[in-house]
Amino acid sequence: AQSVTQPDIHITVSEGASLELRCNYSYGATPYLFWYVQSPGQGLQLLLKYFSGDTLVQGIKGFEAEFKRSQSSFNLRKPSVHWSDAAEYFCAVGALSNFGNEKLTFGTGTRLTIIP
Amino acid sequence: GAVVSQHPSWVICKSGTSVKIECRSLDFQATTMFWYRQFPKQSLMLMATSNEGSKATYEQGVEKDKFLINHASLTLSTLTVTSAHPEDSSFYICSAQGGWGYEQYFGPGTRLTVT
Repeated sequence: AQSVTQPDIHITVSEGASLELRCNYSYGATPYLFWYVQSPGQGLQLLLKYFSGDTLVQGIKGFEAEFKRSQSSFNLRKPSVHWSDAAEYFCAVGALSNFGNEKLTFGTGTRLTIIP
Repeated sequence: GAVVSQHPSWVICKSGTSVKIECRSLDFQATTMFWYRQFPKQSLMLMATSNEGSKATYEQGVEKDKFLINHASLTLSTLTVTSAHPEDSSFYICSAQGGWGYEQYFGPGTRLTVT
């Protein structure tokens, strides 16, 4: 079965500093990988996704992620964070369920706090 | 594009009553919809998957008779929490797939409080 690990529960970054959120996955085949962001009390917004091809993926809001098969990782990066980036970030892996549906398995999330 | 709405966004009900939550895909046809539950400061836990016109498939440990799911059309799925109890209080989020792959589009969520 597939799984996703986000080792950092909470990260605090100064505004303007760079950011890297870690994500490791476990899946037997080529994974479909996603990063979602959730603001308090809101649903999830897709930041970016990797299906195949270029391992460096560009997303919205200036985010990017790099797929590294050898490390089973899909870390999210941003060169300069803004106060509005404070939110919960979820990494997810897509896989076929036993019922043939394509479903997502989420990591436990990383809460990002931005300090002035 | 790919907007998903949920209604209501917030509901309070008394213990023992039933609550229905609607999930709609506004600008696309959703071949599959998913229902998640999220506890405070925790990840999303998949409850069930529904395909239009067929019975929902529930994840292990989710009570089918308590969480009734109906996917009546390609744009609407409903989750009914029957005989709600305080432990059912949670944030419920739906998502929809348009049949073109794994990408899911999420609704804004519904906060249920059972008193």
